[in-house]
Amino acid sequence: AQKITQTQPGMFVQEKEAVTLDCTYDTSDQSYGLFWYKQPSSGEMIFLIYQGSYDEQNATEGRYSLNFQKARKSANLVISASQLGDSAMYFCAMRGGSYIPTFGRGTSLIVHP
Amino acid sequence: KAGVTQTPRYLIKTRGQQVTLSCSPISGHRSVSWYQQTPGQGLQFLFEYFSETQRNKGNFPGRFSGRQFSNSRSEMNVSTLELGDSALYLCASSSYDRGRDTGELFFGEGSRLTVL
Repeated sequence: AQKITQTQPGMFVQEKEAVTLDCTYDTSDQSYGLFWYKQPSSGEMIFLIYQGSYDEQNATEGRYSLNFQKARKSANLVISASQLGDSAMYFCAMRGGSYIPTFGRGTSLIVHP
Repeated sequence: KAGVTQTPRYLIKTRGQQVTLSCSPISGHRSVSWYQQTPGQGLQFLFEYFSETQRNKGNFPGRFSGRQFSNSRSEMNVSTLELGDSALYLCASSSYDRGRDTGELFFGEGSRLTVL
């Protein structure tokens, strides 16, 4: 069985600062993918970044980077230079051999001006 | 490129009724999956369809069903509605094909169902 744990229900960050959102996962699969999604108040989930289990380098997409530590089974999302529009719920997810995605409970990020 | 479209966006039903939700995926995407999002249970996988075939199913009762048409559009149906079915129902499409370990999901804005 797969499990995603996001231990931070809420996070606050000052505009233009960096923030790290934590995600740990558990799986017995050797091959899997890790994803981060953003959900603004409108409800739509927006894909941010992907990391494959065999990728040796951390994934980056613009201001988003994924700090992948395989031995620790962690896949933290780092947002650099936070913007007011980054305020949203953030979900960590994984998909393994069952092809069924598992989502964490999410972290609410609020960016202060 | 048009995104994933879900209809209706909001609906109110009473216990015992049934509801049908519709999802139009991104053009060219053959995989459509459905999710239920509630404050208590979070985001839970309902089922996935690929080329009109259900290829994965989550742990939901048989009252929850779905189908996919030849144009990849999908519908999900919930019969005999219960109060606990009140949720945001999200649809996602993907170009994901098995054998690759990528395949991000593109979500619609969801259908918010309230059961009274």
